[in-house]
Amino acid sequence: GAVVSQHPSWVICKSGTSVKIECRSLDFQATTMFWYRQFPKQSLMLMATSNEGSKATYEQGVEKDKFLINHASLTLSTLTVTSAHPEDSSFYICSASSGGANNEQFFGPGTRLTVL
Amino acid sequence: GENVEQHPSTLSVQEGDSAVIKCTYSDSASNYFPWYKQELGKRPQLIIDIRSNVGEKKDQRIAVTLNKTAKHFSLHITETQPEDSAVYFCAASMAYNTDKLIFGTGTRLQVFP
Repeated sequence: GAVVSQHPSWVICKSGTSVKIECRSLDFQATTMFWYRQFPKQSLMLMATSNEGSKATYEQGVEKDKFLINHASLTLSTLTVTSAHPEDSSFYICSASSGGANNEQFFGPGTRLTVL
Repeated sequence: GENVEQHPSTLSVQEGDSAVIKCTYSDSASNYFPWYKQELGKRPQLIIDIRSNVGEKKDQRIAVTLNKTAKHFSLHITETQPEDSAVYFCAASMAYNTDKLIFGTGTRLQVFP
């Protein structure tokens, strides 16, 4: 149980285009989803916290107009990188939590974005 | 906000030896401390976690200890095997902020046969 999927697993796009990444909880309802970015040989940096039906909460330094997050249902959150540039190339990982006192997050397999 | 420091950044051990990775956190309100193993290009995998009401937890070759007073926690791997080679991350979760995890900087563990 507790499976989280991401789509696509990798994407290559041209500079200036937008890319949408989907994160799905397959066998549980995720009240909260998180989006992380991980540059090569670095740690996971939390970008934003997304709660179903409400606006995402962005971490300091993350541009909310550039990284659009939508959590329209209890099983799906999307991250759209708008007007992508080469410096946005990174590994984007989502995680999902069903909430409650358990705190455990279940991670998706990640999406590798390369912006040319 | 919470800050998590992790040491060492790299660790090389001989197969069969023990490995210890240490983390310190800044916010005394943190109450949940998971450890993740991440292989190259893959998702982080939870290997063990500990809550603030417990001082030590063990699962086969892996153990975690927590010192709330000093605000540090450690991962101990005994009888290391080559397949333990990976990057390990500690994390801390704030008590009042549902599930938000702040990650340490990571430790690259290499176990040589």
